[in-house]
Amino acid sequence: NAGVTQTPKFQVLKTGQSMTLQCAQDMNHEYMSWYRQDPGMGLRLIHYSVGAGITDQGEVPNGYNVSRSTTEDFPLRLLSAAPSQTSVYFCASRRVGYNEQFFGPGTRLTVL
Amino acid sequence: QQPVQSPQAVILREGEDAVINCSSSKALYSVHWYRQKHGEAPVFLMILLKGGEQKGHDKISASFNEKKQQSSLYLTASQLSYSGTYFCGTERRRDDKIIFGKGTRLHILP
Repeated sequence: NAGVTQTPKFQVLKTGQSMTLQCAQDMNHEYMSWYRQDPGMGLRLIHYSVGAGITDQGEVPNGYNVSRSTTEDFPLRLLSAAPSQTSVYFCASRRVGYNEQFFGPGTRLTVL
Repeated sequence: QQPVQSPQAVILREGEDAVINCSSSKALYSVHWYRQKHGEAPVFLMILLKGGEQKGHDKISASFNEKKQQSSLYLTASQLSYSGTYFCGTERRRDDKIIFGKGTRLHILP
């Protein structure tokens, strides 16, 4: 199993550009989440999904969209990038009813 | 709703003990503990469930006080490999979203 994979690993955007961060898992986990990590702020939840077709907002959803068309994939879309979205983004997944959440390796995004 | 962790940072010498605390103002179903090494993804350590027992493996253990909505992570006889940032994450219901605290940086000196 590859576990949770994220692409790209690094990305530089200009203000106003849009892009999609990819996340995939091959463990058949129902639950997937997106977090952003900024110095001194910990891990903040952006959006999460409890299954295909079901998504909900986390703590900091503004400026981001998600969709969940399959169990395996949970892409995060930045609609119009802003410097405040410079961060490290982690995708995570877990099986409903189980405790451990698995994190992907992260995407480091810089918005100029 | 973000849980509050304390202390923000700890510096220890190898072999010393450490306690990291996590508290919430809301009633909790569970508390998760994760460790993150620099430049890596967080890794699951353990979970404490409401009504459950104190957990532990190796020299790392944790407790959950349901009345106070507080959890503590205990690192005994710390090793260099324990260095990193520790996060607690909380769930208010089973299979709910996990909200993390700001983390506690632990640095172990030889």
